[in-house]
This record gives sequence, C-alpha cells and structure tokens, in this order.
Amino acid sequence: QQQVKQSPQSLIVQKGGISIINCAYENTAFDYFPWYQQFPGKGPALLIAIRPDVSEKKEGRFTISFNKSAKQFSLHIMDSQPGDSATYFCAASRGSNYKLTFGKGTLLTVNP
Amino acid sequence: NAGVTQTPKFQVLKTGQSMTLQCAQDMNHNSMYWYRQDPGMGLRLIYYSASEGTTDKGEVPNGYNVSRLNKREFSLRLESAAPSQTSVYFCASSKGSSGNTIYFGEGSWLTVV
Repeated sequence: QQQVKQSPQSLIVQKGGISIINCAYENTAFDYFPWYQQFPGKGPALLIAIRPDVSEKKEGRFTISFNKSAKQFSLHIMDSQPGDSATYFCAASRGSNYKLTFGKGTLLTVNP
Repeated sequence: NAGVTQTPKFQVLKTGQSMTLQCAQDMNHNSMYWYRQDPGMGLRLIYYSASEGTTDKGEVPNGYNVSRLNKREFSLRLESAAPSQTSVYFCASSKGSSGNTIYFGEGSWLTVV
C-alpha cells in the first residue's frame, strides 16, 4: 500500500516557467509534509515543509499548497532555473511517529 | 561540521558475501535511519533507531540487520548479500520528534553480482 502518491514521474520545464509537482496521501493522521530536493550523487535535503493547519507556505521561489479535505499537497517552483534541475520527493509523517514516508520522486529538468 | 558520514561510498559484493555499512553523525541527534533508494521506488525505510539503545524495522527490513553502537553511530549489515540488494543506501539522522528535519548522508552505492 503506497501511502504517498507523487506525480508526475518526470517534468520538463523551460527556464522562467512554473514547475508543479503533486502528492496525495491516504493516512489522515499525517501531520507533517516536507519536500526534499536531491541532486545527482547527493543525499536528499529538506527544501520546504508544511503542517496541515495552514493552506500555503512560501519560501522564496518555492511554495507548498495544501488541501486537507482532498488529502493533497503540491510544490510550485516559480521562475524555474536550470539549477533547480533535480529529483524532488514529497513525504509525510504523523504525530510522534517521525519516520518519513516518501513519494516515488519527480525528476525535474529545467531547460535553459 | 560533517553532518552524516557514510562509508564506504562504493562497494561491489558477490552474492552471499556479507558487509557492513557504517554511519556516523556529529549533530547530537537522537534518531537515526537507513533508507534504500531504487529507480522509480523512491526512498524506503529499512530500519530506524528512535534513540540510543533501540532499533525498529521499517518498510523493507528483510535481509538486513542494524546496530546502534552509540548515539553517534548506526551500522547496517547485509549478512548474505543478494542481487536484489543492489541499491543506493542512505543513512540519515534527526533530533527525533515530529517535524524535525531529517538530514541525509551522501549515500553508499552497493552492487551485488
């Protein structure tokens, strides 16, 4: 049973465009939703995270939108740059169980 | 500040051989994790240690054992390697409560032939 479903698997965007990656979850007990960014040959690193008490969180060009009723959350990258080319993972965890359950990842390519 | 350090970075094993992946963190974190990453499968939790002295199975523990040697170190052992264990392994650590950032090492590339 896949608890966090991520789409699309891959995404190609032109420089300056908007990149949108979507995730859906099943477990309503999840209460922490981070996004991780991974460059080739490196470990994932936290990009931005949200809790379900807010519908949106913005940090620079990166925004998480959260829809609790639909059990969905998404990452928007505004003004996408070639340096944003990486694999992005959404994840979720619940309460005192701080293990993260990850989506399968989205390979983002931003063309110059 | 090294963060999470894993060794070795690359390893080739023959089927049936054993080996241990070593991991150490210098952030005084309570919790440590081992994940494996396979193409199209994302990151799957193998084992974790919520605190020194405790270990628990994750999503895919079969074929692996772990040891939380002390607060800093968490090792992953493959007793009898199988080709299905060819993967990239990531060690990670966190303070150990909900919402804490999990910090990952740079990965260990393991090939079992």
